[in-house]
Amino acid sequence: TQLLEQSPQFLSIQEGENLTVYCNSSSVFSSLQWYRQEPGEGPVLLVTVVTGGEVKKLKRLTFQFGDARKDSSLHITAAQPGDTGLYLCAGDRGNKLTFGTGTQLKVEL
Amino acid sequence: KAGVTQTPRYLIKTRGQQVTLSCSPISGHRSVSWYQQTPGQGLQFLFEYFSETQRNKGNFPGRFSGRQFSNSRSEMNVSTLELGDSALYLCASSLNQLGRETQYFGPGTRLLVL
Repeated sequence: TQLLEQSPQFLSIQEGENLTVYCNSSSVFSSLQWYRQEPGEGPVLLVTVVTGGEVKKLKRLTFQFGDARKDSSLHITAAQPGDTGLYLCAGDRGNKLTFGTGTQLKVEL
Repeated sequence: KAGVTQTPRYLIKTRGQQVTLSCSPISGHRSVSWYQQTPGQGLQFLFEYFSETQRNKGNFPGRFSGRQFSNSRSEMNVSTLELGDSALYLCASSLNQLGRETQYFGPGTRLLVL
């Protein structure tokens, strides 16, 4: 059973479009992290959200943690080709990280 | 500061063989975690070592084992390889125990079992 479901699984958009990726679970997490992974590399941490309802902005990326700390979203404004990659959410339950199913994003010119 | 390094980067083995993968964490980091990444199952936690002790373990069979040395370097071993063990094996290090610090991932070792 996958604890963290991400949607959509695949997303192909044009440069300049906006998009939202969702990460949902029935479990409560003490914190939730978002990573981006590019081919041939390991995941790189983008942000950690800790408080229910928390919103964090990283340039064109906006991350939100659900009030109940069971879900999260990542919104990208005016996507660029450099945003292409695999986006992973990961929930922390205190002793290990559980990763989501992943969203493969491709931004084309 | 050098990042997490993993060796080898690519490996081809046959069913029934065993394999050892190595991970050198960022200098000063004491926690090393291992993950298996496959297209079908995504990224799954294998185990975490902290100060030479296994602290947490995922749901993998006993064929998967690991250890950590006094210099925090870690190795993982997979015995009696199966076709389904083909995957990208990622190592991540953090300053202290998992869940309390940022993890930094290495580039991974891509294992192909024929």
